[in-house]
Amino acid sequence: AQTVTQSQPEMSVQEAETVTLSCTYDTSESDYYLFWYKQPPSRQMILVIRQEAYKQQNATENRFSVNFQKAAKSFSLKISDSQLGDAAMYFCAYTNTGNQFYFGTGTSLTVIP
Amino acid sequence: EPEVTQTPSHQVTQMGQEVILRCVPISNHLYFYWYRQILGQKVEFLVSFYNNEISEKSEIFDDQFSVERPDGSNFTLKIRSTKLEDSAMYFCASSEKPVWDKNQPQHFGDGTRLSIL
Repeated sequence: AQTVTQSQPEMSVQEAETVTLSCTYDTSESDYYLFWYKQPPSRQMILVIRQEAYKQQNATENRFSVNFQKAAKSFSLKISDSQLGDAAMYFCAYTNTGNQFYFGTGTSLTVIP
Repeated sequence: EPEVTQTPSHQVTQMGQEVILRCVPISNHLYFYWYRQILGQKVEFLVSFYNNEISEKSEIFDDQFSVERPDGSNFTLKIRSTKLEDSAMYFCASSEKPVWDKNQPQHFGDGTRLSIL
């Protein structure tokens, strides 16, 4: 069965600094997709960044980038130049070519002014 | 920007009663999903729906659950006989194409908090 593990329930970062959120997953599939979602206090989840497993190049979206290590089944999120608006719960998620998503337990990120 | 809307925002129901959670997906989206998040726990996939039928469901989605798209705009989740452990935040999501399709993220609603007494 596919599982997604986020080992950091809480993280904090100083404003303007960089923080890395960890995620590992377990799968026997070779073709799959990984995501980071942000859930602000308003509760609606928003897609932050997406990675296709067949791509070796790490995905980047402005201040957000990932470190995808396929052999290690690791998918960490790096947030550079952290802003107060980055404070949220962050979920790592996995899907293969079906439509079932597997989420991690989330990491609560606090940004310290 | 179009949004997924869910009603009600909070539903309180007696144990054993039926409850229907409502969602209006984004209008041109074809794939619909329900998730739940028990307080303090991870978001769990319940079911995906496409072309008027369930495409995938998790082991959580047992016989007490059902989904329906009754009128071409609403997407409902029915829990037939609620249990205490059904208390959770329920999220609806929709996407234009399958979630793994490039640049086709799921759009989530704000959720319905279901409290079973």
